Amino acid sequence: RKEVEQDPGPFNVPEGATVAFNCTYSNSASQSFFWYRQDCRKEPKLLMSVYSSGNEDGRFTAQLNRASQYISLLIRDSKLSDSATYLCVVNLLSGGYQKVTFGIGTKLQVIP
Amino acid sequence: DAGITQSPRHKVTETGTPVTLRCHQTENHRYMYWYRQDPGHGLRLIHYSYGVKDTDKGEVSDGYSVSRSKTEDFLLTLESATSSQTSVYFCAISEPAGGSYEQYFGPGTRLTVT
Repeated sequence: RKEVEQDPGPFNVPEGATVAFNCTYSNSASQSFFWYRQDCRKEPKLLMSVYSSGNEDGRFTAQLNRASQYISLLIRDSKLSDSATYLCVVNLLSGGYQKVTFGIGTKLQVIP
Repeated sequence: DAGITQSPRHKVTETGTPVTLRCHQTENHRYMYWYRQDPGHGLRLIHYSYGVKDTDKGEVSDGYSVSRSKTEDFLLTLESATSSQTSVYFCAISEPAGGSYEQYFGPGTRLTVT
């Protein structure tokens, strides 16, 4: 089983739609979680951290389910500019150093 | 903006030649990383550094070496480039945030080995 798994998509959704991505992780000792956004041929950029209580930033909501070992990202009222690949990232502090594992990303295409 | 630059941004080289990629940061971050990104794979860690002259291997370190003689520079060297090292290479720094470590990436270097 991969350490971090994501559905690569693509998810094709109309403007204004709500879309959700999940990401599962295998190590129950994982400690911190993030969503990154990556545009074509660009570097990944931090979208948001994922907190145990869930967190929201505008149209974006991130949630963590430790019992089932997954994190989710919900995008409401999708915009054309949301089209990108969304990377799930899981951190584990081991031996004093952080081990960072990236998912392969989920591609989102918002259609006019 | 975490003040990270990478050079060169694009490079084409021949199999067997040595190649050095440079990552430069301006904000005195302690942790620096080199990743490669290939289709069908997530970002994979090559090497990382937790301080000047303190480096360690990541999951795909074979064929790569690194050096960090100054806080601001982290160099990645391909001693003898192979076609399998054709990839996009990203440098990142890590910024502790409430006990977790958010990473910020440079713009990337596209390397083609012919």
